[in-house]
Amino acid sequence: NAGVTQTPKFQVLKTGQSMTLQCAQDMNHNSMYWYRQDPGMGLRLIYYSASEGTTDKGEVPNGYNVSRLNKREFSLRLESAAPSQTSVYFCASSEFSGGTEAFFGQGTRLTVV
Amino acid sequence: GENVEQHPSTLSVQEGDSAVIKCTYSDSASNYFPWYKQELGKRPQLIIDIRSNVGEKKDQRIAVTLNKTAKHFSLHITETQPEDSAVYFCAASQNYGQNFVFGPGTRLSVLP
Repeated sequence: NAGVTQTPKFQVLKTGQSMTLQCAQDMNHNSMYWYRQDPGMGLRLIYYSASEGTTDKGEVPNGYNVSRLNKREFSLRLESAAPSQTSVYFCASSEFSGGTEAFFGQGTRLTVV
Repeated sequence: GENVEQHPSTLSVQEGDSAVIKCTYSDSASNYFPWYKQELGKRPQLIIDIRSNVGEKKDQRIAVTLNKTAKHFSLHITETQPEDSAVYFCAASQNYGQNFVFGPGTRLSVLP
């Protein structure tokens, strides 16, 4: 049982380059999330998808786009990377109806130079 | 929107002592409050959670209390051990698990 799988684990980008972070879950969860984690800032929500076909902005959406490709997959795209987007990115999923925890992927460490 | 505050930001205790971390939330509609532990370089993992219809929950050395009126909840770790050293995050969500908002984290160090 893989849970939540993110790719890649590490990435270095040059300013202005674009990339897509991939996330897939095999728990049949309805809700999926993208967070960024910076030192001393905790986990800040970028975007979330409450169910297949819907996406909503979180606390820090600027510079990012998302796609809920199907129930399993939720991708995060950086169209023109900036040094301020250097962070660790976590994807998570949860089954909100009935209420359970959010399960996290292993994280992607992104550095923009 | 929801805002979650967490204190203290760092906490050092002697092995065997107790540790308490406190969180407050702003949105009275929040009804699910999980606590996550994150070890260095790893993903956050749930250690305990509580729903708004419960005032206290305990799991071995870990307990969580919730005061809905005051909008705060706390994590209590008793008989701390070196392996409890980590960053702990509280979170609040509505609809029992939708759109989690996290606190900034507490770095707990258990000194031998």
